[in-house]
Amino acid sequence: GQSLEQPSEVTAVEGAIVQINCTYQTSGFYGLSWYQQHDGGAPTFLSYNALDGLEETGRFSSFLSRSDSYGYLLLQELQMKDSASYFCAVQHQGGKLIFGQGTELSVKP
Amino acid sequence: DAGVIQSPRHEVTEMGQEVTLRCKPISGHDYLFWYRQTMMRGLELLIYFNNNVPIDDSGMPEDRFSAKMPNASFSTLKIQPSEPRDSAVYFCASSLAPGQGYEQYFGPGTRLTVT
Repeated sequence: GQSLEQPSEVTAVEGAIVQINCTYQTSGFYGLSWYQQHDGGAPTFLSYNALDGLEETGRFSSFLSRSDSYGYLLLQELQMKDSASYFCAVQHQGGKLIFGQGTELSVKP
Repeated sequence: DAGVIQSPRHEVTEMGQEVTLRCKPISGHDYLFWYRQTMMRGLELLIYFNNNVPIDDSGMPEDRFSAKMPNASFSTLKIQPSEPRDSAVYFCASSLAPGQGYEQYFGPGTRLTVT
């Protein structure tokens, strides 16, 4: 089977840095994606890692270690608007995406 | 482009009724995905299509669920008969083919309530 593990919730203060970890067990792994979802909204794409290492996009960075079946999403200079759920998702060859259960991030003033 | 379009946005129906959810993907996208989201089960992939052909329907919960994609610009997800446990938000998403980009674009979702 396949599984993804990520913390259910994380709390941080404005301006801080937070890291959301994701471990996975799957066959046919192609890459790891991250999506953001605000309450009542649709998931939106944040980043994708196919190779080991760090990908940086503005305040957000994502890391992958294929040998450890592990990745993380790093959010810097947290803002109130970053309060949302964050999902890691395993990308399979052929386009299939399997999502983790999501991490609810609360940013406090 | 207007993005992925879903209709209706909200649907309330009684147990036993047929429900049809509709999706228009982004023009030019080869892949179309149907997901269901609930608090208990999270975001589950139900079925996906490539060039209008169903590729993987292993996530479809049971025979009451069916999906079609008659052309590149339209897909339906049908539940017949509906049950209270089908209450969820159903998302449609589309993407380009792998190799051209891996981002899936989600529609606003249809919130289904079965009483």
